[in-house]
Parts: sequence; C-alpha cells; structure tokens
Amino acid sequence: EVQLVESGGGLVQPGGSLRLSCAASGFTFGSYGMNWVRQAPGKGPEWLSYISSSSITIHHADSVKGRFTISRDNAKTSLYLQMNSLRAEDTAVYYCARESGYDYLASYYFYMDVWGKGTTVTVSS
Amino acid sequence: QSALTQPPSASGTPGQRATIPCSGSSSNIGSNTVNWYQQVPGTAPKLLIYSNDQRPSGVPDRFSGSKSGTSASLAISGLQSEDESDYYCAAWDDSLNGWVFGGGTKLTVL
Repeated sequence: EVQLVESGGGLVQPGGSLRLSCAASGFTFGSYGMNWVRQAPGKGPEWLSYISSSSITIHHADSVKGRFTISRDNAKTSLYLQMNSLRAEDTAVYYCARESGYDYLASYYFYMDVWGKGTTVTVSS
Repeated sequence: QSALTQPPSASGTPGQRATIPCSGSSSNIGSNTVNWYQQVPGTAPKLLIYSNDQRPSGVPDRFSGSKSGTSASLAISGLQSEDESDYYCAAWDDSLNGWVFGGGTKLTVL
C-alpha cells in the first residue's frame, strides 16, 4: 500500500524550531518529487516546499523562504521539513504529498497524488 | 487571498448537477493544467481530477473537469449525499515557482 506518514508536530513557542518527518512506503520513493503543504484551521491548503527526486531542485514559498528548509533521504525513504523562527501564523496541519507526472505530446503534466494524514503544529506561548 | 478564485459555497439536490468554477491567471491556469481535490473536514485532500480532465482510478465518472483559458471548472453529476465536501482547485504557477490553490468551495447536497 502506498503510504505517507508525517510526524514531529507539536506545541512550540514563537521563535522556536521543529523538524517534521514524512515516512514513505509502498512505492519507489527516490523516483518522485515531494512537497510539503499546510492547512491552517478553516483555510484552504497552502503549498510550502518542493524537492525533486534527487534533491537537485528545491522551491520554497515566499511565506517560508529563509525560515523553512526541505530535505530528503532516499536511503531512508524519508522527507523532512526543518522549521525555524516559527510564528503564530505557522499554526496548521502539515501534509507531505507525492508529486507524480508524465510526458504527453512534448509537454509534462504533474500533480500531487498521494497525501499523508498530516501532523499538527501549534505555535503559541 | 488565494491565487485561484473559487466561490465559497455551492449546492444542489440529489440527482442534480453541480458546477464549481475556478479562476486563475496566465501564470498558473493559463500555462499549466488544473488539478482538483476533495476534502472531507478533518481528513487529507484527495486527488479527484488531474491534468484538467483526468480521473484517477476509483473516482466515479460522475466527476469531470474542464479548462478554458485561465479558468477551469469541476462538474459533479447525479449528486449524492456523500459528495458533500470541500473542493479545491490547484495549479502550478510559473511566476511563483510553486503550487497555488483556490480558497475552496463547500458543496452542500440539500
């Protein structure tokens, strides 16, 4: 069964740090790009970060650039998100999501097709 | 404010057809394909439509997607009570170098 399981969430004070992990199983982890997406209470999903299969390409949303860092360990089939300088507005459920894609007629099509159940991060004093 | 615009709510009666629009710009929907997600509150988003109009295996053919220019839409025919969920559109944005989502539409089956 294809599965993503996040961990590492919890309660942290403003200015603090957390490291989220995402354990992958049931597929060839090293062949897929991966993303982190968060969802604040009552809001829609917000994309945070992307890392390519070999870690060559990394993108971060402006809202977290300089504070959050995405990384992966293909040998451990795991994805990570290091979060520093946390703020109250970072309070959300954090999901990891697999990115799948295919070539068709000289174009590349991609989408996030597998999501974990999420881990909750609460930033509060 | 979300990069993609969706109405906050939509509704229909069982058996009817409901449509959810999603509006974007040239850097996202205008340049890339649109994906749709269904989310029951308290659970993770589930991929419903990818590449504008493709259904993953297991998604009923009552669900369909389309795209024209910088807009897209999700259609649900033969509405059922279990279709009550939040629906989100998403697309890659070439200017932001990242995924953008709509604010979501809550579908109510009356």
